Amino acid sequence: SQKIEQNSEALNIQEGKTATLTCNYTNYSPAYLQWYRQDPGRGPVFLLLIRENEKEKRKERLKVTFDTTLKQSLFHITASQPADSATYLCALGASSASKIIFGSGTRLSIRP
Amino acid sequence: DAGVTQSPTHLIKTRGQQVTLRCSPKSGHDTVSWYQQALGQGPQFIFQYYEEEERQRGNFPDRFSGHQFPNYSSELNVNALLLGDSALYLCASSLLQGRMNTEAFFGQGTRLTVV
Repeated sequence: SQKIEQNSEALNIQEGKTATLTCNYTNYSPAYLQWYRQDPGRGPVFLLLIRENEKEKRKERLKVTFDTTLKQSLFHITASQPADSATYLCALGASSASKIIFGSGTRLSIRP
Repeated sequence: DAGVTQSPTHLIKTRGQQVTLRCSPKSGHDTVSWYQQALGQGPQFIFQYYEEEERQRGNFPDRFSGHQFPNYSSELNVNALLLGDSALYLCASSLLQGRMNTEAFFGQGTRLTVV
């Protein structure tokens, strides 16, 4: 069955460092991959989308890589700030399907 | 632009009852998806509506049904509520381009508690 794994339930790093979150998937051939941020009690907020034919995408302090051979995406936040503390969700979509499958998320905490 | 709005924000129901949750998509979006999110888990896909029809469905029983109206708003109905149905129910709207959805915009969710 299709499975998405995000590297850890929680990640704690110091302010100013680069946070790296991992998303691995099996039994799936996504056409695109998305990353979302979710704060407690709120709906997810879209951050970045990367397509299967793209290797890397950047947006301000965010960078996403997508390796369809390794079936893995890495999500980086550079110069991390306490305001970046949240749960980050990886989501996959296939071109022939309308549903988006989410991972269980990684809770990121940035300490001052 | 109001974004995606969901109502109500919180709801408490008794086992066996029925519930209806509502969603208005972001302006210009034509597709509405519903997700169930248990505490500490990622959102689980329930179903998606486009042009007033259910386009795809996740692994949820028939107790979960939905509807999309001509103005693209949508309802999620759950019959015969179980304690395990307690969760945050999220509505997401997007634009269907070709056969792919653009990024999804989520509402803040409806917190359903079944007692």
